[in-house]
Amino acid sequence: DTAVSQTPKYLVTQMGNDKSIKCEQNLGHDTMYWYKQDSKKFLKIMFSYNNKELIINETVPNRFSPKSPDKAHLNLHINSLELGDSAVYFCASSQDLARISPLHFGNGTRLTVT
Amino acid sequence: AQSVTQLDSQVPVFEEAPVELRCNYSSSVSVYLFWYVQYPNQGLQLLLKYLSGSTLVKGINGFEAEFNKSQTSFHLRKPSVHISDTAEYFCAVSGGNTPLVFGKGTRLSVIA
Repeated sequence: DTAVSQTPKYLVTQMGNDKSIKCEQNLGHDTMYWYKQDSKKFLKIMFSYNNKELIINETVPNRFSPKSPDKAHLNLHINSLELGDSAVYFCASSQDLARISPLHFGNGTRLTVT
Repeated sequence: AQSVTQLDSQVPVFEEAPVELRCNYSSSVSVYLFWYVQYPNQGLQLLLKYLSGSTLVKGINGFEAEFNKSQTSFHLRKPSVHISDTAEYFCAVSGGNTPLVFGKGTRLSVIA
């Protein structure tokens, strides 16, 4: 069973479109995250939710809106896509907010905006 | 705030040779340190972590790392690498109120 699963794996779309990425974890974790990995492999946190509550919202354009319907799901909706949004987006989860809790990552969604 | 520097962006090494991937961090508070590995087209997996106690920590796949507080380093080592170790390796630090911060990664290429 996949612990953290994201869909779709690949997403190709045109500038200006709106798209969503879904994430689910079956680990019973309280905390979920979205990370963005750019073409140089640099990983940057975007959002973090704990028990459906937004905890971290880094300096991300407000075109990005996360939604957590329950603590096992964290979806990412992106409006008015731009070329610079092209990246790999990773969902992750951890047992709790404690800084010692390791992260479990999904396999990523490769977003290409043309 | 914490930051992480991985000194080498790429490390080529022959199969069965030893390898060291370097990581330095900076922080004004006590830190927790992690190494993650990313195989092609996959997410990151935890290799090992230092939380407290013994400064030498052992992880999966024969990797180990040593926490050196005076040098603010957490270098990753393996005595003998395999082709299957070819991957991207990320050092990460957390502590205080800030979330996990990743280094820019080191690409390990094992040559047959």
